[in-house]
Amino acid sequence: SQKIEQNSEALNIQEGKTATLTCNYTNYSPAYLQWYRQDPGRGPVFLLLIRENEKEKRKERLKVTFDTTLKQSLFHITASQPADSATYLCALGGGADGLTFGKGTHLIIQP
Amino acid sequence: NAGVTQTPKFQVLKTGQSMTLQCAQDMNHEYMSWYRQDPGMGLRLIHYSVGAGITDQGEVPNGYNVSRSTTEDFPLRLLSAAPSQTSVYFCASSYGSGAYNEQFFGPGTRLTVL
Repeated sequence: SQKIEQNSEALNIQEGKTATLTCNYTNYSPAYLQWYRQDPGRGPVFLLLIRENEKEKRKERLKVTFDTTLKQSLFHITASQPADSATYLCALGGGADGLTFGKGTHLIIQP
Repeated sequence: NAGVTQTPKFQVLKTGQSMTLQCAQDMNHEYMSWYRQDPGMGLRLIHYSVGAGITDQGEVPNGYNVSRSTTEDFPLRLLSAAPSQTSVYFCASSYGSGAYNEQFFGPGTRLTVL
């Protein structure tokens, strides 16, 4: 069955450093991959979408890579700030029936 | 622009009761969907709709019904609530297919079934 794996443990990063989150998948060939941010008690908020034929996408301090050979996406936040602390969700899409989400990685940026 | 709105925010039901979770969007999006989020499980797709009058099942549809009579509204009905349906429910919408487009999520409904 399809499986998406994200770091299950919380990731602690010092302010100003680059945070790197990993999303691995198996038994899946997604055409698109999305990243969302979720704060406690709130709905997910879209951050970035990358297509299978794109290697890398950037938006301000965010960068996403998509390696279909390794079946992996990396999500980077550069110059991290305490306000970046949240849970980050990886989601895969390839059909008409919406997205399949990973369980998320809880990121903590320490001042 | 209110985006995606959901009501109620919180709900407590007894086993066997029925209820409808409301979802509305004012962005003229064709695609709407319902997810549930449980601790340690991530978001799972319940039902989705690609336009008014068209609905389909997602990963975990059992115990839920949906209909889409207008572009704006996509209610989720629990026919006979069970404790296993205790969860946080999110409605989402997008311009096109949820797989290929940015999803806009509502604030969620926290449901407890006793």
